[in-house]
Amino acid sequence: AQSVTQPDIHITVSEGASLELRCNYSYGATPYLFWYVQSPGQGLQLLLKYFSGDTLVQGIKGFEAEFKRSQSSFNLRKPSVHWSDAAEYFCAVGARNAGNMLTFGGGTRLMVKP
Amino acid sequence: DTAVSQTPKYLVTQMGNDKSIKCEQNLGHDTMYWYKQDSKKFLKIMFSYNNKELIINETVPNRFSPKSPDKAHLNLHINSLELGDSAVYFCASSSRGAVEQYFGPGTRLTVT
Repeated sequence: AQSVTQPDIHITVSEGASLELRCNYSYGATPYLFWYVQSPGQGLQLLLKYFSGDTLVQGIKGFEAEFKRSQSSFNLRKPSVHWSDAAEYFCAVGARNAGNMLTFGGGTRLMVKP
Repeated sequence: DTAVSQTPKYLVTQMGNDKSIKCEQNLGHDTMYWYKQDSKKFLKIMFSYNNKELIINETVPNRFSPKSPDKAHLNLHINSLELGDSAVYFCASSSRGAVEQYFGPGTRLTVT
């Protein structure tokens, strides 16, 4: 069965600082990996996805993520955080042979200091 | 031009009642999903449904049932509501064979 771990429950960074959110997954085959963002009281917005090919993927809002098969990781990065990036971030893994269902990590709450 | 919409946004009801949450998508997708987000923000799949197949997460009580009047709608019916059903419920959709999903804004259900 697939699983996702986000080791950091909360992260606080200063505005303008760089950001890295960690995600580790467990899946027997090549995974489909996603990062979603949830702003307070809102739904989930897809930031970026990895299916195959280039292991460094670019997303919206200046985010990128790198797939590292050897480490079973898909960490999310941003070079310079903005106050509006404060939100909950979810990593997810999906599989076509499981009804296309997504398995989510527990989320990381990002707080941004002025 | 909302892609995935849900109604209502908030639902407060008493234990034992039966309620429904509606979901509509205008993306032309043919697979829809329901997820439950608990008070600790943990998201868990409940159902995956297209016109050929319903896949149910085995942990979902049979008081919960998805009903799809057509390809663009997947409603969630909940019978005999319990306190533990209080959560935010998200609808999502994806195109044929795709894993990438698009989510609605969520419905916050509070059972008192």
